[in-house]
Formats: sequence, C-alpha cells, structure tokens
Amino acid sequence: AAGVIQSPRHLIKEKRETATLKCYPIPRHDTVYWYQQGPGQDPQFLISFYEKMQSDKGSIPDRFSAQQFSDYHSELNMSSLELGDSALYFCASSFSSGVETQYFGPGTRLLVL
Amino acid sequence: QQQVKQSPQSLIVQKGGISIINCAYENTAFDYFPWYQQFPGKGPALLIAIRPDVSEKKEGRFTISFNKSAKQFSLHIMDSQPGDSATYFCAARFRDDKIIFGKGTRLHILP
Repeated sequence: AAGVIQSPRHLIKEKRETATLKCYPIPRHDTVYWYQQGPGQDPQFLISFYEKMQSDKGSIPDRFSAQQFSDYHSELNMSSLELGDSALYFCASSFSSGVETQYFGPGTRLLVL
Repeated sequence: QQQVKQSPQSLIVQKGGISIINCAYENTAFDYFPWYQQFPGKGPALLIAIRPDVSEKKEGRFTISFNKSAKQFSLHIMDSQPGDSATYFCAARFRDDKIIFGKGTRLHILP
C-alpha cells in the first residue's frame, strides 16, 4: 500500500539558511499535518491543511510557513534556521471523511550547524 | 500542561512476558485514541486505535483497554518479543483531527 512520502530524508543546513521540506500524502488523503520531533521527545504538532486551506496551527515558529498545493502535496518552508531547529520533521496524512487516523511518513532529519 | 500523560517512561520485559503501558487524559473533547510504535529514525506507525465508546479492542498480541469514566487507557502486548522493542506513544485526537501525543515509553524486550 502507498504510504506518505517525504523528501529529502536528510538535510544539513547552516544557521540562518532556509530549508524546504516536501510531503506527498497517501492517495485520496486530503489532510496533511506537520510535526516536529526533537531527540527523545514526542512529536509536536506544527500545522495542518485541509483542502489546501490551513486548518489548525500548533507550536510553529513565525520563521516557518507551509502550504498545501492543488495535488494535495505540502511544503514546509523554514527560514533563518537556528540550531534548535535540528529535529525530525514528520508529515502525516488522513482522509477527512473517514474514521481512520493519521498515517505518518518516514520523516526528514534536519541538522542545522 | 501535558494533555496526555503516559507511563512508564521506560520498560524492560522478558521475552514472552506482558508489556503494559498506561495513559490518562483530561480533555473530554478527545474522540479517538491511537497508539503509535516508533523505531529509531523512523516515523510513528499506527499500531492500534480505539474509540471511547468501546472498552476493549484486540488485534493479535496487542490489546487496548479503555476506561472512559476514569479517563484512562492502556496498551497490553502479550507474548512480548525482542522485535517489539521500540518507543510507544499513546495519543488522543480532537474532533478536528489534531493529535496530542503522550511523552512515549521506551520498551525493551530481553531475549
């Protein structure tokens, strides 16, 4: 079965640089969520989109922005990167009209030097 | 304030034993309670989930017990195997689909 696809899988950036993470949801899923997971921590919700509109917002820094495109893929844009942004970033997707919950992608490991 | 409290933080179980992880919540707006299994460097994988109108759900060696009045739920892993060694997160979902995770339990099954 098709799963959530994230790219890149690994990313190394310098402080103050920008990064773009991409997420391709499971086919037919119309809702995308972004989470940040620090070392040894639980995933923290950042932001979600339903039908290309932002549906909820969590602890996402103002330096970050995201959007969902017409093909339902989503991009998380991170600017002015800080050392503390080093983490695993997960995308999850779900089908809003179904009872199933979110399915997570493999994640992007971001390292800010 | 941690909306979903999970315990223990870490757990060591002998192979063949029963692993039990407990969670508690306060917010009655939660309508769905999934458990995720995560291996190092991997994304959380949905393991089993339950709705609050059900008291127990079993899938293979994994069972969720749910106590709505006490606002508690637990995961039981029967006949625990070394391959079950992972971090387990209980979670709770709001009706708008946002998921709140517990802090996680690092489970180690001794061979």
